[in-house]
Amino acid sequence: EAGVVQSPRYKIIEKKQPVAFWCNPISGHNTLYWYRQNLGQGPELLIRYENEEAVDDSQLPKDRFSAERLKGVDSTLKIQPAELGDSAVYLCASSSRGGADTQYFGPGTRLTVL
Amino acid sequence: KNEVEQSPQNLTAQEGEFITINCSYSVGISALHWLQQHPGGGIVSLFMLSSGKKKHGRLIATINIQEKHSSLHITASHPRDSAVYICAVRRGGTSGSRLTFGEGTQLTVNP
Repeated sequence: EAGVVQSPRYKIIEKKQPVAFWCNPISGHNTLYWYRQNLGQGPELLIRYENEEAVDDSQLPKDRFSAERLKGVDSTLKIQPAELGDSAVYLCASSSRGGADTQYFGPGTRLTVL
Repeated sequence: KNEVEQSPQNLTAQEGEFITINCSYSVGISALHWLQQHPGGGIVSLFMLSSGKKKHGRLIATINIQEKHSSLHITASHPRDSAVYICAVRRGGTSGSRLTFGEGTQLTVNP
């Protein structure tokens, strides 16, 4: 069974540029999570989807961050414009039964903003 | 103060040693997760537990709900166990699906 797929694995951009990350969850997983992990810290939830509905986006900086999961399968996280402080690893995870089940993480996208 | 505190932050051991990583939390939870993160970012779920003890191979996880404390033990440690070990709690109540993560424990096992 394929795991959670993310792309790109690495991205380097200049500040004020836009950037997008893509995630394809494990087949059949209805719940999808986007996390941000700063160096030396644990992941921090940005947004959680149940199918195509964003059910927890309270920690998503909505002035510059946006996300979508139009068909309830794969998802895109966008930052526009990126700031220096956005440099981090962006992790996608999925689970089959929402918060009650184990989350499976993708390899992450390491973003560097110059 | 973080809601989830791990100790130690860094741990260096010799191959074969018994290792313990601790996690304390300050909120009511419905479950606690132990995760392993290797260099490059990949995170693997090791355990999800809400009471008692679980064992998988050389790994043992325990939780004491009354004391709000969990431990991850590694028996007969090996260099391939070197990774960051992260404790995460799933809070109860209306925010029950959100995981709150500790900052991780960097484990290095030397041959």
